[in-house]
Amino acid sequence: QLQLQESGPGLVKPSGTLSLICSVSGGSISSGNYFWGWIRQPPGKGLEWIGSHYYSGSNYYNPSLKNRVTIDIDTSKNQFSLSLSSVTAADTAVYYCAHTTAAAFDQWGQGTLVTVSS
Amino acid sequence: QSALTQPASVSGSPGESITISCTGTSSDVGNYNLVSWYQQHPGKAPKLMIYEITKRPSGVSNRFSASKSGNTASLTISGLQTEDEAEYYCGSYAGRRWVFGTGTQVTV
Repeated sequence: QLQLQESGPGLVKPSGTLSLICSVSGGSISSGNYFWGWIRQPPGKGLEWIGSHYYSGSNYYNPSLKNRVTIDIDTSKNQFSLSLSSVTAADTAVYYCAHTTAAAFDQWGQGTLVTVSS
Repeated sequence: QSALTQPASVSGSPGESITISCTGTSSDVGNYNLVSWYQQHPGKAPKLMIYEITKRPSGVSNRFSASKSGNTASLTISGLQTEDEAEYYCGSYAGRRWVFGTGTQVTV
């Protein structure tokens, strides 16, 4: 059974860079016709897709965040990461990593709250 | 990109059936048979309930069913149970991007 776990700082200063890692167990991040993605949820609000990495190497990003987002894959550690630059309070959210099959997010991490504040 | 439109809340009594709508556009829901539905209980990660419009992952109750017509997808929960009380989100692939719905609070 695939398992995903987010990790990273829970507090980031305004204008700084938010960096998170998703550790994958129970399967290889480099195998299969899959996407690995990030989704966020501001407190009390809905889900927002941030971006996804295709196993072949392509990255797709939410157009509203595109200039600030980078998703990278580390196959040696079976991890993928999220970097979001120039953060503001509006980026405060629970951040989830997820595996995608058939264009659906079928496995999710438990989520990690990141607060942007000085 | 705009979120898919869902009703803010739907309620029903135990044993009843309810339906949640999810309205998108010809660029997302209407153009791809890749609509999914997620259940989220407070403080928990979303759980996939439906994928590819009508398919249920292993372990999901057959009380959950779904369909699509044009730019609108629908999720039906039959035989409502108290544990079905949660927030529900639809999602759609939209060509190198994904979009989620606004979310619907289901009250039993």
